[in-house]
Amino acid sequence: DVKVTQSSRYLVKRTGEKVFLECVQDMDHENMFWYRQDPGLGLRLIYFSYDVKMKEKGDIPEGYSVSREKKERFSLILESASTNQTSMYLCASSLQDRVYGYTFGSGTRLTVV
Amino acid sequence: ELKVEQNPLFLSMQEGKNYTIYCNYSTTSDRLYWYRQDPGKSLESLFVLLSNGAVKQEGRLMASLDTKARLSTLHITAAVHDLSATYFCAVDIGGTALIFGKGTTLSVSS
Repeated sequence: DVKVTQSSRYLVKRTGEKVFLECVQDMDHENMFWYRQDPGLGLRLIYFSYDVKMKEKGDIPEGYSVSREKKERFSLILESASTNQTSMYLCASSLQDRVYGYTFGSGTRLTVV
Repeated sequence: ELKVEQNPLFLSMQEGKNYTIYCNYSTTSDRLYWYRQDPGKSLESLFVLLSNGAVKQEGRLMASLDTKARLSTLHITAAVHDLSATYFCAVDIGGTALIFGKGTTLSVSS
């Protein structure tokens, strides 16, 4: 069964901490994405990557960075966590032409206190 | 700027009734996707619509795409409680990332 795996289901971090969210896919997908989901705001794109070592800013990149050193892994980094980054974070991947849409990971619910 | 609008955003249905969720988008696209999300869970792919006139059915759900009208519909037939979830449409405009609607939260009660 093909998968997108997010390393943590729930995380609690303190304000100012550096936070790493990891995402691994086993489908040899070229594209990988990070979204955050908040009530009433839907899914908002943070960053995406269409190839190893490539990254593109989405709609809300401020306060985040990403790393894609290997094709199967896409990491989201919160440089200095703040309470307004408390959210559900969703990783997704797709083939280059997106013909099957996205496959989503199970999500990481991050709470910053 | 591309807009993807779903309506209604909230839908309370009785079991056994039929209803339709609408997804309108503001620019040309011939690819549209529907996802389901259960509370606290991630998104699960429901339908992939890749051309004008595409129609897909799975159980009590049927999705269609009219690219000329820039409209997709998700029709629910004889709703059951298990269909209670949030449904998202997402549009592909040829860039790298899909553009999602805000979701329609469906609640089915007896």
